[in-house]
Amino acid sequence: GAVVSQHPSWVICKSGTSVKIECRSLDFQATTMFWYRQFPKQSLMLMATSNEGSKATYEQGVEKDKFLINHASLTLSTLTVTSAHPEDSSFYICSAVKPGQGAAGDSLSGYEQYFGPGTRLTVT
Amino acid sequence: AQRVTQPEKLLSVFKGAPVELKCNYSYSGSPELFWYVQYSRQRLQLLLRHISRESIKGFTADLNKGETSFHLKKPFAQEEDSAMYYCALYGRRQLTFGSGTQLTVLP
Repeated sequence: GAVVSQHPSWVICKSGTSVKIECRSLDFQATTMFWYRQFPKQSLMLMATSNEGSKATYEQGVEKDKFLINHASLTLSTLTVTSAHPEDSSFYICSAVKPGQGAAGDSLSGYEQYFGPGTRLTVT
Repeated sequence: AQRVTQPEKLLSVFKGAPVELKCNYSYSGSPELFWYVQYSRQRLQLLLRHISRESIKGFTADLNKGETSFHLKKPFAQEEDSAMYYCALYGRRQLTFGSGTQLTVLP
């Protein structure tokens, strides 16, 4: 199997503080992890692509100084929401790509993307 | 830009009835398309992918490049199929999701 965990599952913090969310691939190594944000009853919006050993790639409109991503090992990526504000309240989901038996490259067909259970952040 | 459209936010059918969840995409290239499902209080999980041409839990989806569609179908819906379904397109090294369709199968 392939399991991706997130910690914490939910967190409440005060405005102005920083919060760190961890994403771990428990039984496989993931060179690439993704961070998504999901608003209530809406789709998942890709925030950034986290690559082990290199800087994350952020999507347009996502503030990289506010959402710090660190992918220090092949099994761990962290998302830190700095100086959180109420508008940052959301459901944050990570996913990890497990290399499959297909050819590497631009195709996802050789890879499986596994999702974490999500982290509910509430900023008061 | 790549885009995925799911026109129905909510869809209700009776148990045993056929169900079709619509998905249209926009992508200037050869896309890879997926359906993901999220059951209540569970994480998102892959249901099927177009390249596999497989049937999972009775669901099938055919890629129609002419109509740029990838509709999900099941001939006889079951109550346990009630869930949120997301169509997704993989291109340019990222997965783009549709807005999702909440399927409710009524007894």
